Amino acid sequence: DAGVTQSPTHLIKTRGQHVTLRCSPISGHKSVSWYQQVLGQGPQFIFQYYEKEERGRGNFPDRFSARQFPNYSSELNVNALLLGDSALYLCASSLGGPSSYEQYFGPGTRLTVT
Amino acid sequence: DQQVKQNSPSLSVQEGRISILNCDYTNSMFDYFLWYKKYPAEGPTFLISISSIKDKNEDGRFTVFLNKSAKHLSLHIVPSQPGDSAVYFCAASVAGTASKLTFGTGTRLQVTL
Repeated sequence: DAGVTQSPTHLIKTRGQHVTLRCSPISGHKSVSWYQQVLGQGPQFIFQYYEKEERGRGNFPDRFSARQFPNYSSELNVNALLLGDSALYLCASSLGGPSSYEQYFGPGTRLTVT
Repeated sequence: DQQVKQNSPSLSVQEGRISILNCDYTNSMFDYFLWYKKYPAEGPTFLISISSIKDKNEDGRFTVFLNKSAKHLSLHIVPSQPGDSAVYFCAASVAGTASKLTFGTGTRLQVTL
């Protein structure tokens, strides 16, 4: 079975631009979460979507948004990019529900903002 | 406010010996704890977990211990193998918010021959 897939692998953008990152969960998983990992830090929670609804949001500005599609894939959008948005963006999927603790991560998208 | 802390950025252990990775947390609402392993250019891989109702969970060479009164957990790897060399993250979750994991900053484990 395919694991969590993310695209693109790497991305270079300029300050002020907009970016869209994509994620496909493991087949049968209905929950997708997004994390930002800055160099030297652990992943930080951005969003969770379950059954196409936002179920959780971390401490990130409104420039960050996401959505989940009927096939449970997801997009993360970041507007008005800042240099500080440079990070590895990780997508994780799980079966979903309040007790679905084990999440499976994709390889991430490395975003560089210049 | 770092709610999950891994105070040792790196650890070096000889092959065959025990590796002990430590993690402390401050949020008493955390009720589930997980360890992830991360290799370069890959996403974190789930390793082992423990519920707050237990104090030990074992899976092959990996054992996680939880001391709720001290708000401390540890991961023991016995025996350590060169393939265990990676960055290890401790993560925690509050009941009812399973997908919102709070991660520590990671410990880089190097297993030497």
